[in-house]
Amino acid sequence: QVQLVQSGSDLKKPGASVKVSCTASGYTFTDYAINWVRQAPGQGLEWMGWISTSTGNPTYARGFTGRFVFSLDTSVSTAYLQISSLKAEDTALYYCARHVLLGASLFFDSWGQGTPVTVSS
Amino acid sequence: SSELTQDPAVSVALGQTVRITCQGDSLRTYYASWYQQKPGQAPVLVIYGENNRPSGIPGRFSGSTSGNTASLTITGAQADDEADYYCHCRDASGHHLVVFGGGTKLTVL
Repeated sequence: QVQLVQSGSDLKKPGASVKVSCTASGYTFTDYAINWVRQAPGQGLEWMGWISTSTGNPTYARGFTGRFVFSLDTSVSTAYLQISSLKAEDTALYYCARHVLLGASLFFDSWGQGTPVTVSS
Repeated sequence: SSELTQDPAVSVALGQTVRITCQGDSLRTYYASWYQQKPGQAPVLVIYGENNRPSGIPGRFSGSTSGNTASLTITGAQADDEADYYCHCRDASGHHLVVFGGGTKLTVL
């Protein structure tokens, strides 16, 4: 079955970097793009952007440019989210999700379990 | 505007029907999808497209759209349906690929 498995929780100091992984199984990795979604404590879901797994081309939502980088290693069916110069406000749960485009509908049919990132001195 | 607006909270008596709505200009062009999120869990897709349920989602969940408003209806709400619900669709403004609603907390009384 389709599965996205993310790396475990991380605790970082302000100014450090973090790299979250999302490993896919159960389907051909390059057939579906990967999105990243942030959920701050007690808040809703916020779309960060997506990366084409066939071309490696990333697209970032407003507010997620500069310090955020999406990348891939297709040899191990894994997508990565790297955040540099971490700030306290980056403390959140980060999800990866596969998207399906079907006519006038685009939806996330499979999600990773989420990776908690805590930024604290 | 690329925003999707949801009521922050809705309640329903056990076994009754509840409708959760989502408003936004993008819904005039694209279908909404709906996600259920329970505490400590990842979101789960419950409705996509015109009114489609992924395998394993109970038939009491249905979706519809009218104009700029999408609705998720739960017919005969169960205690297990208590969760946060988020709508989501492609962004017709082109600013983003997709946009999420702010979420609705459903309480089953």
